[in-house]
Amino acid sequence: EPEVTQTPSHQVTQMGQEVILRCVPISNHLYFYWYRQILGQKVEFLVSFYNNEISEKSEIFDDQFSVERPDGSNFTLKIRSTKLEDSAMYFCASSEATGTEAFFGQGTRLTVV
Amino acid sequence: GNSVTQMEGPVTLSEEAFLTINCTYTATGYPSLFWYVQYPGEGLQLLLKATKADDKGSNKGFEATYRKETTSFHLEKGSVQVSDSAVYFCALSRAGTASKLTFGTGTRLQVTL
Repeated sequence: EPEVTQTPSHQVTQMGQEVILRCVPISNHLYFYWYRQILGQKVEFLVSFYNNEISEKSEIFDDQFSVERPDGSNFTLKIRSTKLEDSAMYFCASSEATGTEAFFGQGTRLTVV
Repeated sequence: GNSVTQMEGPVTLSEEAFLTINCTYTATGYPSLFWYVQYPGEGLQLLLKATKADDKGSNKGFEATYRKETTSFHLEKGSVQVSDSAVYFCALSRAGTASKLTFGTGTRLQVTL
C-alpha cells in the first residue's frame, strides 16, 4: 500500500541552526501539507502546497519556515533558525485532490536544545 | 475560528468494554468531520468521516454520527480490543475539502485484557 514517508524519524539540533525535514508524498498525489504537534498539545496546520506554490498557511508559518518540492518526489520543510519552541512532532501529509483523504507520514520528532 | 474539543485522556478500558470518546466542535458553515487514529510508532490514519449532518461514519467497528444540533461527533465502539489501543484525534475541515484539518488534542485509549 502506498504511504507517505518522512525522514529522519528524530532530529536533535542546536538552537539557531537550520533544519530540513524531508517527506516523500504518495506518488500520484497533488496536494501536500505540513502539520506539527507540540508535546501535549493539538496537531496544528502549518502549510498546504499545490502546483509548486503555497496555497494556504497558518500564522505559525512565519518567515523562519519555508517549503519546497525540489525534485518532483520530495517535499521539504525548512526551519531557518530553530528556536526552543520549535520542538515538536512534524507530520507531512498528501492528498490526491481537495475533498479526498489526506494520508499522513509517521512524523519527525524535532528536538531543539 | 474553527475549533475541536475532545475529552481528556487517557481512557483505560477492559477488552470487550463499550467505548465512547466525546468530540464537540465550533465552526462556521457545515464542516466535514473526521476521526484519525495513531497507533504506537505510526502516523495518523483516517478512521472514519462524515460530511453532512446526520451522516454516520463507520469503520473497523467504530462509529460516529454528525450531530449538527449538538455540534458533536462522538466516537463509539461496542466492544474494544487490545489492538484498539492508540491515540484518537477528532478533526474538522471546511466543507468539501480535506485540506487544513483542525484537530482536537487527541485521546489516548488503553485497552487491557
